[in-house]
Amino acid sequence: KQEVTQIPAALSVPEGENLVLNCSFTDSAIYNLQWFRQDPGKGLTSLLLIQSSQREQTSGRLNASLDKSSGRSTLYIAASQPGDSATYLCAVSWYTDKLIFGTGTRLQVFP
Amino acid sequence: GEEVAQTPKHLVRGEGQKAKLYCAPIKGHSYVFWYQQVLKNEFKFLISFQNENVFDETGMPKERFSAKCLPNSPCSLEIQATKLEDSAVYFCASSPQPMYGFSYEQYFGPGTRLTVT
Repeated sequence: KQEVTQIPAALSVPEGENLVLNCSFTDSAIYNLQWFRQDPGKGLTSLLLIQSSQREQTSGRLNASLDKSSGRSTLYIAASQPGDSATYLCAVSWYTDKLIFGTGTRLQVFP
Repeated sequence: GEEVAQTPKHLVRGEGQKAKLYCAPIKGHSYVFWYQQVLKNEFKFLISFQNENVFDETGMPKERFSAKCLPNSPCSLEIQATKLEDSAVYFCASSPQPMYGFSYEQYFGPGTRLTVT
């Protein structure tokens, strides 16, 4: 069965810290992996998409890496800010493009 | 449009009533997906369309759920005879046609919150 797991479930850090969110998945034959953020009561905002042939993607203070052989992806957030507080979701597509989601990491960045 | 639009924002139905949700994908996107979010962050894939054709319906509870994407109309997700367990936020997403093995991001709408009482 194809599953996606995220660790930790929750994280609270002071402003300015660099942090790493982890995502692991079964079955390395993925099509792509997408990171999202979700603010309370809101929809999903796409942060980064990593193709199966890529090792990493960067956008501003965000960097996502992909290691298919070990079934892992990490989202690195540099110099965290209170505005980064949200739930971060990892989602994997194996085929037919449907996304299988992890249960998310709830991040709180305090001033 | 440049965003996925979903209507209504909130929908309240008594158990056994019908519920119908609508989604307008981003113009030019040929794929549409429906997901159900229950209990915090548990997302479940329901169905996807490639233009007006069903692409993958492996997540659909077929006995009560149906969906359509007709030309020149918003896509719809209909639940006949709603149950308490159908209470959730239903998200629609769209993406462009993959080309040359390069897949695209899925862009999500704001969701429709369905409450079954």
